[in-house]
Amino acid sequence: DTAVSQTPKYLVTQMGNDKSIKCEQNLGHDTMYWYKQDSKKFLKIMFSYNNKELIINETVPNRFSPKSPDKAHLNLHINSLELGDSAVYFCASSPPSGGPRETQYFGPGTRLLVL
Amino acid sequence: SQELEQSPQSLIVQEGKNLTINCTSSKTLYGLYWYKQKYGEGLIFLMMLQKGGEEKSHEKITAKLDEKKQQSSLHITASQPSHAGIYLCGAVSTGTASKLTFGTGTRLQVTL
Repeated sequence: DTAVSQTPKYLVTQMGNDKSIKCEQNLGHDTMYWYKQDSKKFLKIMFSYNNKELIINETVPNRFSPKSPDKAHLNLHINSLELGDSAVYFCASSPPSGGPRETQYFGPGTRLLVL
Repeated sequence: SQELEQSPQSLIVQEGKNLTINCTSSKTLYGLYWYKQKYGEGLIFLMMLQKGGEEKSHEKITAKLDEKKQQSSLHITASQPSHAGIYLCGAVSTGTASKLTFGTGTRLQVTL
């Protein structure tokens, strides 16, 4: 059974379009994250939600908006896509602990290519 | 902000050889994670280290956190093609909600 799943796995779209990436976890975790991995494979956090509330928002353009309908889902919506948004986006989740040291479990990634 | 530097950036080893990957932090580490990423796949959790001097092993992979908690090493014994991938170290920030800062990654290739 997939623990953290993302859809779609691949996304090719034109500049200016709006797209969403979905993430679901069946681990019963309270905290979910979005990370971006650029072409140099550098992985950086974008957002973190705990129990549907935003707790981390790194310097990310307003065109990126996470939405958490419930604690098992954290979707990423991107408006007006730009070439520089091309990257691999990873969703992750971690158990509830109240502390910063719980292991994060990652999804398989969504490869976004903006043309 | 915390920065993690990994070395080497890439590594090609012959099957059966041992290798070590290092991760050096600009600040004291309060939790250090090692992940492996295969092409086209997500990150697979390998190990987490918290205490200075701590060492953990899983199959042929051993990770250590030094006493000063600013450097970690990942050692693979008798490498196999299945070990190939990108190895990433990640550190948590102190005092805040879980936020992993990742190192620059080490790409490992294992030749036959």
